[in-house]
Amino acid sequence: DAGVIQSPRHEVTEMGQEVTLRCKPISGHNSLFWYRQTMMRGLELLIYFNNNVPIDDSGMPEDRFSAKMPNASFSTLKIQPSEPRDSAVYFCASSFEGALDTQYFGPGTRLTVL
Amino acid sequence: GQQLNQSPQSMFIQEGEDVSMNCTSSSIFNTWLWYKQDPGEGPVLLIALYKAGELTSNGRLTAQFGITRKDSFLNISASIPSDVGIYFCAGQLNSGGYQKVTFGIGTKLQVIP
Repeated sequence: DAGVIQSPRHEVTEMGQEVTLRCKPISGHNSLFWYRQTMMRGLELLIYFNNNVPIDDSGMPEDRFSAKMPNASFSTLKIQPSEPRDSAVYFCASSFEGALDTQYFGPGTRLTVL
Repeated sequence: GQQLNQSPQSMFIQEGEDVSMNCTSSSIFNTWLWYKQDPGEGPVLLIALYKAGELTSNGRLTAQFGITRKDSFLNISASIPSDVGIYFCAGQLNSGGYQKVTFGIGTKLQVIP
C-alpha cells in the first residue's frame, strides 16, 4: 500500500492567497484526520471525518479554514485567506473506525505564508 | 485543546544509554499512545496502552499506563543512533463514541555516537 498521500509536500504563498492541501487516505480506511503541527502548540487535531462526514471540527481555528471529503479517497483542507500565523506542517492521517492504533500519518505539507 | 505535560522537552544522550520520558495530565485518559517522528515525516505509532497499570514492550521500548490514568512513561534501553527523533505521547478520551485525542508537546532525543 502506498500509505497516506499528501500534496503538495511544500507550499510557499503570500498572505491573503488561498491555499488548498490535499490528502488521499489509505484504501479501506473510513476515518480521516487533519492535524496541524507548530513548534509552539505541538500537534493539534483540526478535524475528523468518519465515512466522509465531519464528526468533530472543534479544532478548526476559524472561518478561514474549511475541510471537505467528497468521497472515501480524497479530502481537502482549504485556507482562505491565508495569514503568516497559518505557517505550520499540516498532516493528514487515516484509520479504520477512528481507531488511533490503526492510524497512519501522511508525510505532511509544510506551509509557509509570507 | 488541553495539552499534556511531557518531559523532558529535549535530551542529549550517549549511544548505549537508557532513556526515560514521561507525560502527565490533569485529566483521566482511557488510552495512552506513544509516537516517534523522524525529520520530514509524520508520527509513527510505537506503543498503545489500554489499561491502568499496563506495561508493554516493543523491542527496546517499554511503556506503562499509570495507575491513576493520568500519566505514562516511555523507556528506551541501550539507545542507538537511529533512535534520534521526536517522541510524542497522546491521551485518548471517550467522547460520545468519538475518541478525542490530546498530544504532548514532544521530547526531542539526540543520540551521540
